[in-house]
Amino acid sequence: DVKVTQSSRYLVKRTGEKVFLECVQDMDHENMFWYRQDPGLGLRLIYFSYDVKMKEKGDIPEGYSVSREKKERFSLILESASTNQTSMYLCASSGGDGYNQPQHFGDGTRLSIL
Amino acid sequence: AQSVTQPDIHITVSEGASLELRCNYSYGATPYLFWYVQSPGQGLQLLLKYFSGDTLVQGIKGFEAEFKRSQSSFNLRKPSVHWSDAAEYFCAVGKVGGNKLVFGAGTILRVKS
Repeated sequence: DVKVTQSSRYLVKRTGEKVFLECVQDMDHENMFWYRQDPGLGLRLIYFSYDVKMKEKGDIPEGYSVSREKKERFSLILESASTNQTSMYLCASSGGDGYNQPQHFGDGTRLSIL
Repeated sequence: AQSVTQPDIHITVSEGASLELRCNYSYGATPYLFWYVQSPGQGLQLLLKYFSGDTLVQGIKGFEAEFKRSQSSFNLRKPSVHWSDAAEYFCAVGKVGGNKLVFGAGTILRVKS
């Protein structure tokens, strides 16, 4: 089974801090994704990566950046955390071309910015 | 651009009753379609997927979905709901040539005993 592991289930940070969310997958998947999930809004794509060192903006990239130095690891960075970034963050990975393969999700990180 | 609509934000059904969750997509060609389930505090788990062929697709946990091209729909069904099915359900669509999925806003299922 594919395993996608997010480093923290719960995280509390302060406004202005630089925050790192880490995600690791163990299936040698080419594609990795970061989503934000808020009630009533579903999943919104922040960034995705289709190869090492490659990244593309999703629908809501503002205030975020990403890093993919190794194939198995995809990091989401909040450069200067703000209260409106309090949310559930989900990481996912998929193989193949991305559109024709299911995405496998981690358990999520619930991030609170105070 | 493709989009996915799940018209029902919340649905409540009695345990043992049948269930149908609606999903409509907007895309010119035949899309790749997925249903996911998210239990409270968890990530999303794949229930089933449709790529081509038989329009009735069987998934895990007794779920099935039917692709109807004429209605641009991919509705999820279960003949008899169990209390453990209470969760949020997401429909997603992938476009040929793209490299990501587009998700609907989700439907929260409540099961009453």
